[in-house]
Amino acid sequence: QSVLTQPPSVSGAPGQRVTISCTGSSSNIGAGYDVHWYQQFPGTAPKLLIYGDSNRPSGVPDRFSGSKSGTSASLAITGLQAEDEADYYCQSHDNRLIAWVFGGGTKLTVL
Amino acid sequence: EVHLLESGGGLEQPGGSLRLSCAASGFTFSSFPMTWVRQAPGKGLEWVSAISGSDGRTFYADSVKGRFTISRDNSKNTLYLQMNSLRAEDTAVYYCAKELFAGSGLALDYWGQGTLVTVSS
Repeated sequence: QSVLTQPPSVSGAPGQRVTISCTGSSSNIGAGYDVHWYQQFPGTAPKLLIYGDSNRPSGVPDRFSGSKSGTSASLAITGLQAEDEADYYCQSHDNRLIAWVFGGGTKLTVL
Repeated sequence: EVHLLESGGGLEQPGGSLRLSCAASGFTFSSFPMTWVRQAPGKGLEWVSAISGSDGRTFYADSVKGRFTISRDNSKNTLYLQMNSLRAEDTAVYYCAKELFAGSGLALDYWGQGTLVTVSS
């Protein structure tokens, strides 16, 4: 059971907008710790998509955006493309565990 | 160009030990915190351990505390993970990763390709 809860799967048609939620608690996201998002394709290392809740590293398309409110964060992908089909993970810090934690991951399927 | 290359994985029996290495290049290694993250077959990401850049502060997940030791040799641009008392549940691909910048909340902007550790008799 992950400290950060993500839906196991989401799907959308090309061109649509999808969101992936990441629900935490008062000891992690709710405590104000930064949330980061990663994209991972099968057999490859994760790639940083969003850091500090809503910032995109250089090279990440602006179709990807992040937000945070209360004890939850969200990753939004607009103009969905077939190449976005991957696993997505959120990450934050937990001050009760004194550890960094990942969500369980969400598999995005482009229909 | 930043490059991280892990090595040292392999098959080990329960109770055994392995030492992973991560050779870094393309950035000022001593200035950045580094992290180990693992991924069991077919499972999600799990943070394992982190070490600060210069003062060597270390942090561990409860699942490995007391068994794993993270260290770094800034003169060799190399990160290590000494894994003792290995268990079957330690079986995973182990990635080393670099923090975007100190204080970024462990946003990991560069990752190695991973090294597979299998613990089995």
